[in-house]
Amino acid sequence: DIQLTQSPPSVSASVGDRVTLTCRASQDIHGWLAWYQQRPGEAPKLLIYAASTLQSGVPPRFSGSGSGTDFTLTISGLQPEDFATYYCQQANTFPTFAFGPGTKVDVK
Amino acid sequence: EVQLEQSGAEAKKPGESLKISCKGSGYSFNNHWIGWVRQMPDKGLEWIGIIFPDDSDTRYNPSFQGQATISADRAVKTAYLQLSSLKASDTAVYYCVRPPRGAARAFDSWGQGTLVTVSS
Repeated sequence: DIQLTQSPPSVSASVGDRVTLTCRASQDIHGWLAWYQQRPGEAPKLLIYAASTLQSGVPPRFSGSGSGTDFTLTISGLQPEDFATYYCQQANTFPTFAFGPGTKVDVK
Repeated sequence: EVQLEQSGAEAKKPGESLKISCKGSGYSFNNHWIGWVRQMPDKGLEWIGIIFPDDSDTRYNPSFQGQATISADRAVKTAYLQLSSLKASDTAVYYCVRPPRGAARAFDSWGQGTLVTVSS
């Protein structure tokens, strides 16, 4: 099974900051990585798929990069609505999937 | 517009069984995978499994194999998640999810979630 780790588990930041979150897979997932945002009490929302493709309607301050086993999600210019938990998900083994444990972005 | 409408909250006792539903609309239900994700209280997301309604091809997370059963009824465009021999640790929000066809390989559509509470 492919395992995902995310770092850091939590990060404190301020509005306007640039925030970089990391997701590492236990083996090469050939770019099949997605990122989700989940605000408290809400269903998760897809931000990025295939490592770097922005989902329709997602603000361009969100960007994804990476290949092989190492991936990043960058938020350039953190907005108040971006304080949330972010999950990565691998889809190399489609139609089976796995999520990472999440990174919580909170207010510094 | 794609919509996934889930059944309402459930309160069950340990040992009971449960079947929750997810009705898909706004897309070709038969030709898209539809799956389930669990989120225990204040915990992360766990992928449970997925089904392709057209041929009932079903895949499970090994961690849920034997504990969860996924099915689909094409006539009513509804997917189901059945949990048996419920335990307190099954208390969670369960989401149905749908990956679009094509290169996305991600869940672009989510149901609103069904809260399942298991308590004696």
